[in-house]
Amino acid sequence: SAVISQKPSRDICQRGTSLTIQCQVDSQVTMMFWYRQQPGQSLTLIATANQGSEATYESGFVIDKFPISRPNLTFSTLTVSNMSPEDSSIYLCSAREGRNEQFFGPGTRLTVL
Amino acid sequence: GIQVEQSPPDLILQEGANSTLRCNFSDSVNNLQWFHQNPWGQLINLFYIPSGTKQNGRLSATTVATERYSLLYISSSQTTDSGVYFCAVEGTGGFKTIFGAGTRLFVKA
Repeated sequence: SAVISQKPSRDICQRGTSLTIQCQVDSQVTMMFWYRQQPGQSLTLIATANQGSEATYESGFVIDKFPISRPNLTFSTLTVSNMSPEDSSIYLCSAREGRNEQFFGPGTRLTVL
Repeated sequence: GIQVEQSPPDLILQEGANSTLRCNFSDSVNNLQWFHQNPWGQLINLFYIPSGTKQNGRLSATTVATERYSLLYISSSQTTDSGVYFCAVEGTGGFKTIFGAGTRLFVKA
């Protein structure tokens, strides 16, 4: 199984600023993903983080708002740009090796004032 | 895209009771997982079960891929079982894992 850590675990930010969330996996994985979980809701896939190329975004999510980097097979970052209160959510990093079991980090709780 | 429906949406149990949670999906899947999200928000892997039956202690799961559903059984429930149970599937068209809306379980002491 993969062990995933995220930093920061939580943050409170001002409207209009940006926050970068880091995700570290303890082993090399082929697939990394970023999800958002709004209060009381299920998880929604933001994008697939591709190693060495641009991320693949889901409908409703754009690169200018959620730029993603994945410089190697164990690390990825998600930036939430120009934040508004509607961006207050839990952001979760996830990883999977091939078509095997998928694992999740502990999440980053973001509050935007 | 693939649709995932979970039922019931909410469930309240007395400690010691048994329950069955259901997950229906609209298309063929490459894999299916059950997760428990505890009250602190951590997602815990319960089962990776694209087909067949698995058991782990008081929990067991069955997926009937040909009929597009999966069941999660919780026996002799405990207060620590409280939280949200998610079913998540990967369709055959790609590598994305899509989550159902979840079943919110509360176990009373």
